[in-house]
Amino acid sequence: GDSVTQMEGPVTLSEEAFLTINCTYTATGYPSLFWYVQYPGEGLQLLLKATKADDKGSNKGFEATYRKETTSFHLEKGSVQVSDSAVYFCALRGTGFQKLVFGTGTRLLVSP
Amino acid sequence: DVKVTQSSRYLVKRTGEKVFLECVQDMDHENMFWYRQDPGLGLRLIYFSYDVKMKEKGDIPEGYSVSREKKERFSLILESASTNQTSMYLCATLRTSGAASTDTQYFGPGTRLTVL
Repeated sequence: GDSVTQMEGPVTLSEEAFLTINCTYTATGYPSLFWYVQYPGEGLQLLLKATKADDKGSNKGFEATYRKETTSFHLEKGSVQVSDSAVYFCALRGTGFQKLVFGTGTRLLVSP
Repeated sequence: DVKVTQSSRYLVKRTGEKVFLECVQDMDHENMFWYRQDPGLGLRLIYFSYDVKMKEKGDIPEGYSVSREKKERFSLILESASTNQTSMYLCATLRTSGAASTDTQYFGPGTRLTVL
């Protein structure tokens, strides 16, 4: 079945460092891909998404490109802030299905 | 903005108790979901509903049931709570646009349930 694999955390960075969180997926057909973020004590919020190959999703300085050839959707940000500290989830929705399949989440800790 | 509310942020129950977790949304979304979130396991789907009185099992339905009597409300029921059901429970709704690939799930703040 469909699955998502993302790098284990925590990822610890200093403010203004470059961020990459890796995400790869296994799915049949052409899934839609998502990154969700969970700030401490809150539910999940959609951060960005991409619905077809080579699409780039972006929001709040974060970017991810849908790479079908490598089945990847890595999350990047050029300069992280302390306020970016959160847990980040990669997810996919398979063609014709309503439910999401999530990765295990990656905790990001940014220090001043 | 979509608002998804859950009845409690924190809940403590005893083994064997019947537990109700309530989720209410205000945007007339057809689809609603219950997930549990555990460290190292991410989010796992328990049940979902695509219409009033309709329900489908997710990946881990054992020990749970659901109820959807009104479109805006989706309840998760633990008939006899057990310690292995201690977890964070997240409700979500789904906005359905004309193209299924653009659908976005909206999440509530979560209920942290502890079963003693």
